[in-house]
Amino acid sequence: KAGVTQTPRYLIKTRGQQVTLSCSPISGHRSVSWYQQTPGQGLQFLFEYFSETQRNKGNFPGRFSGRQFSNSRSEMNVSTLELGDSALYLCASSPSGALYEQYFGPGTRLTVT
Amino acid sequence: AQRVTQPEKLLSVFKGAPVELKCNYSYSGSPELFWYVQYSRQRLQLLLRHISRESIKGFTADLNKGETSFHLKKPFAQEEDSAMYYCALTGSGGSNYKLTFGKGTLLTVNP
Repeated sequence: KAGVTQTPRYLIKTRGQQVTLSCSPISGHRSVSWYQQTPGQGLQFLFEYFSETQRNKGNFPGRFSGRQFSNSRSEMNVSTLELGDSALYLCASSPSGALYEQYFGPGTRLTVT
Repeated sequence: AQRVTQPEKLLSVFKGAPVELKCNYSYSGSPELFWYVQYSRQRLQLLLRHISRESIKGFTADLNKGETSFHLKKPFAQEEDSAMYYCALTGSGGSNYKLTFGKGTLLTVNP
């Protein structure tokens, strides 16, 4: 079956702009989690959505938000971009949210200039 | 607070040599520990978790609660083991059920 897909794969934005990233989970998976990966901080959990509800969140400012649609596709939005938001954003899906069942996407590389 | 420390950024061994990737953690409750691997140009994937107590691709990891460690070991390294390895933990239930990753160790197995 098709894996987790993320669009776009690469993105360049300017400070102060906002950006929306998309994640399509594996068919039948109802949980989508988002992670930020940077050289300095490594991989950090952003939030998890299950059946259109945010179930858990990490320690990120309110500029980072997300949502999940009825077909389980998820988007994350970052408003008022800062240079430090430059990162690889990964999403992962799982059938029920169990972490050991997560499958990761290829990531979206966001560069903020 | 959940914390995972991987003290080695880089680890280089020769093919056939034993390899040990270190992972130490800090968590006040009972954590679940994982090892993830990312091969070149591939996606991050789960390698093993301590609950299953399996050997995957010849790798094993034992949870040592006394030393708060979860080191990954393989007796004879292969070139195809070259990859980035991440140790991660989660607490149980509610807001604690989320992955906290270490910074990763890049393993290079030389021929």
